[in-house]
Amino acid sequence: GQNIDQPTEMTATEGAIVQINCTYQTSGFNGLFWYQQHAGEAPTFLSYNVLDGLEEKGRFSSFLSRSKGYSYLLLKELQMKDSASYLCAVRDLISASKLTFGTGTRLQVTL
Amino acid sequence: DGGITQSPKYLFRKEGQNVTLSCEQNLNHDAMYWYRQDPGQGLRLIYYSQIVNDFQKGDIAEGYSVSREKKESFPLTVTSAQKNPTAFYLCASRFEMNTEAFFGQGTRLTVV
Repeated sequence: GQNIDQPTEMTATEGAIVQINCTYQTSGFNGLFWYQQHAGEAPTFLSYNVLDGLEEKGRFSSFLSRSKGYSYLLLKELQMKDSASYLCAVRDLISASKLTFGTGTRLQVTL
Repeated sequence: DGGITQSPKYLFRKEGQNVTLSCEQNLNHDAMYWYRQDPGQGLRLIYYSQIVNDFQKGDIAEGYSVSREKKESFPLTVTSAQKNPTAFYLCASRFEMNTEAFFGQGTRLTVV
């Protein structure tokens, strides 16, 4: 099975940098995804990591350490529109189709 | 335009009735998923399907049923056996050799 942990809520100031952590325990790991979800809407894809290291995409970066079962999403130059939930999801090794999500981190960006 | 469509957006049903949620995609994706989301919670996997005529239970399959008769369609039936059916239901699809999953806009089911 898989167990994925994220902080429930975070608050940060507009223009700042915030790091959202995700730890996972899994019987087989085959990639980690980050999604953004605004209230009442569908999740949208942000990033994908399957090898250790940092993936950068504009203001968003995602890091993975497979040996530590750890990932983080880094958001730079925060904007008010970044207020949303951020979901970490792990793909299973045995059944590559199976995607398991964490409970999500609700980020509030303030002035 | 290619995409994944869920209908209806809002659905109300009386307790004890079965209800079927529609999910259609024209992205030629192999894998399809159903997730349930409760207020302030993450997504929990109900069922998923990798190919036509095949599907697997997720973490919370009890009280739900699915079918995958066509590649484009993966309807979810919420049966009267599901004790707490009121929730936001999300359908997703993924091209098997690709990585990210695309989500429909969701169906908010309220059982009264």
